[in-house]
Amino acid sequence: DAKTTQPPSMDCAEGRAANLPCNHSTISGNEYVYWYRQIHSQGPQYIIHGLKNNETNEMASLIITEDRKSSTLILPHATLRDTAVYYCIVRVALQGAQKLVFGQGTRLTINP
Amino acid sequence: SAVISQKPSRDICQRGTSLTIQCQVDSQVTMMFWYRQQPGQSLTLIATANQGSEATYESGFVIDKFPISRPNLTFSTLTVSNMSPEDSSIYLCSVSRSDRGNYNEQFFGPGTRLTVL
Repeated sequence: DAKTTQPPSMDCAEGRAANLPCNHSTISGNEYVYWYRQIHSQGPQYIIHGLKNNETNEMASLIITEDRKSSTLILPHATLRDTAVYYCIVRVALQGAQKLVFGQGTRLTINP
Repeated sequence: SAVISQKPSRDICQRGTSLTIQCQVDSQVTMMFWYRQQPGQSLTLIATANQGSEATYESGFVIDKFPISRPNLTFSTLTVSNMSPEDSSIYLCSVSRSDRGNYNEQFFGPGTRLTVL
């Protein structure tokens, strides 16, 4: 699975959009971009995933560049409860092979 | 989604002893995973456990130290054997629900916080 690079920490004001970048310059054509987050003292939580098209769900939006070498997770209206470590993971979505390899992630702090 | 519970939620153990962590899922799942999260660190996969077969361990982890059982499709145990203070971590169980045709989400339990003295 391709390696990802994320900033170690970010701050964002409550109510503003939080934009979390991720570089995955060695991504292969059949690898997806996944985002998970881990709120303090909890297990990781799935947020969103995508292959090459932008994706949106009730939690966030995922913007993937045309060359797929980087992506941005957008939390449109960040709240204090969005304070967490956010992990960008690149992996192949094979049947029966759901192993996730976690990097160090970005520690996002939402400030009041 | 999948609801995952782990027992115990936390424990304090003496070095040289062993602890078995239980993971229970509210529905049948094909694949279960065990992760370790050392203090201030990210998650590291220990092994993958399929029902009816031996677990597959990642580099740096061995069966003698972390024996795993997977007796059915809703339950698994991880044992941390002959513990040392370096084993102090959060241990997390995770499942993938490929049996419903959706390979996109992986669900995690709340974790077991282990402290070895």
